[in-house]
Amino acid sequence: AQTVTQSQPEMSVQEAETVTLSCTYDTSESDYYLFWYKQPPSRQMILVIRQEAYKQQNATENRFSVNFQKAAKSFSLKISDSQLGDAAMYFCAYRSQGGSQGNLIFGKGTKLSVKP
Amino acid sequence: DAGVIQSPRHEVTEMGQEVTLRCKPISGHNSLFWYRQTMMRGLELLIYFNNNVPIDDSGMPEDRFSAKMPNASFSTLKIQPSEPRDSAVYFCASSFYRPVSGANVLTFGAGSRLTVL
Repeated sequence: AQTVTQSQPEMSVQEAETVTLSCTYDTSESDYYLFWYKQPPSRQMILVIRQEAYKQQNATENRFSVNFQKAAKSFSLKISDSQLGDAAMYFCAYRSQGGSQGNLIFGKGTKLSVKP
Repeated sequence: DAGVIQSPRHEVTEMGQEVTLRCKPISGHNSLFWYRQTMMRGLELLIYFNNNVPIDDSGMPEDRFSAKMPNASFSTLKIQPSEPRDSAVYFCASSFYRPVSGANVLTFGAGSRLTVL
């Protein structure tokens, strides 16, 4: 079974600086998808970024980018120019490429605080 | 698009009572998921449907939990009887799944916070 591990329960960053959140996963599959979701205090789960395992190029969405290391099974999230609104829980998630029709396996999350 | 709509947002009930959580997925989505979030266990998949048919309910904790999807625009998660350990946030999510290109993204509702006293 696949597992997702986020080893940093909490992280803190100064406003305007850069922070990297770690995520590792375990799978025997070669094709899959990886996601980062953000959960602010409002509880809403918001998709931040996604990565297809077959793509070597790291995904980027504005200030958010990932460092995808397939061999190491690592999928870290980098937030540049951190803003107060980035404060939230961040969840890394894994999904198989086929068969299971979209079930996401989540890590336990990292709570990010942004200091003004 | 109004997104995935869940109700109620908050529910406080007493042990032994029946609880029904409701979800309206995004129009056109063909997959629907129920997740539970607790501090101890994080986000866990309870059950998911594809084209209104339950595909995997192995995450449903016990027989007290049941889920239905009578049509493409509505699903319920019922707990009967409820227990204090059922206290959690319950999320509904939907997506459009295409077998050939499986990169469907789950869109989550705002969640229903359940407190069982």
